[in-house]
Amino acid sequence: DIQMTQSPSSVSASVGDRVTITCRASQGISSWLAWYQQKPGKAPKLLIYAASSLQSGVPSRFSGSGSGTDFTLTISSLQPEDFATYYCQQANSFPLVTFGPGTKVDIK
Amino acid sequence: EVQLLESGGNLVQPGGSLRLSCAASGFTFSSYAMSWVRQAPGKGLEWVSGISGSGISTYYADSVKGRFTISRDNSKNTLYLQMNGLRAEDTAVYYCAKDLGYCSSTSCPPDWYFDLWGRGTLVTVSS
Repeated sequence: DIQMTQSPSSVSASVGDRVTITCRASQGISSWLAWYQQKPGKAPKLLIYAASSLQSGVPSRFSGSGSGTDFTLTISSLQPEDFATYYCQQANSFPLVTFGPGTKVDIK
Repeated sequence: EVQLLESGGNLVQPGGSLRLSCAASGFTFSSYAMSWVRQAPGKGLEWVSGISGSGISTYYADSVKGRFTISRDNSKNTLYLQMNGLRAEDTAVYYCAKDLGYCSSTSCPPDWYFDLWGRGTLVTVSS
């Protein structure tokens, strides 16, 4: 089974900061990776799919990159509504879907 | 409005059964694969099961294989999860989620990117 790890597990940042979250797969998954944002008590929201494709309606300050085993999610200028937990998810190891453990972004 | 609405969550004893439903609206339900994803209290996300748009193909996480059954009724725009042999570790909020990719035939594999989620329904397994 493919294992997903994320770093850091949490990050404290200020409005306007550039934030980068890393996701690593235990084996190559090409570009079969998604990123989700989840706020407390709410369902996850798809931000990025296929490693770098921005989901419709998602602000352009969110971007994704990477392929193979190493991926990043970047928020170019953190906004107040971006404080949340972010999960990566691999979609390659058919038929198993695996999420990373999450990265919490909170206010410094 | 495009939405998913789960129901059926409840408190159940270990070894018991429960059936979750997810009512879809606002999109062509039969053209999209669907999944169930769960989240234990204070924990991360865990994919549970998925089903193709036609219902022909089903997929399960090892943790629920043989105990849970996913199905769908495209005439009712509804997704189901039959859960048997429930364990304490099945306690979670269960979300239904729609695949991003549109499928125009009966044989499209799911893309496993989830672009629409319901609000979730809580399943508690405890004596």
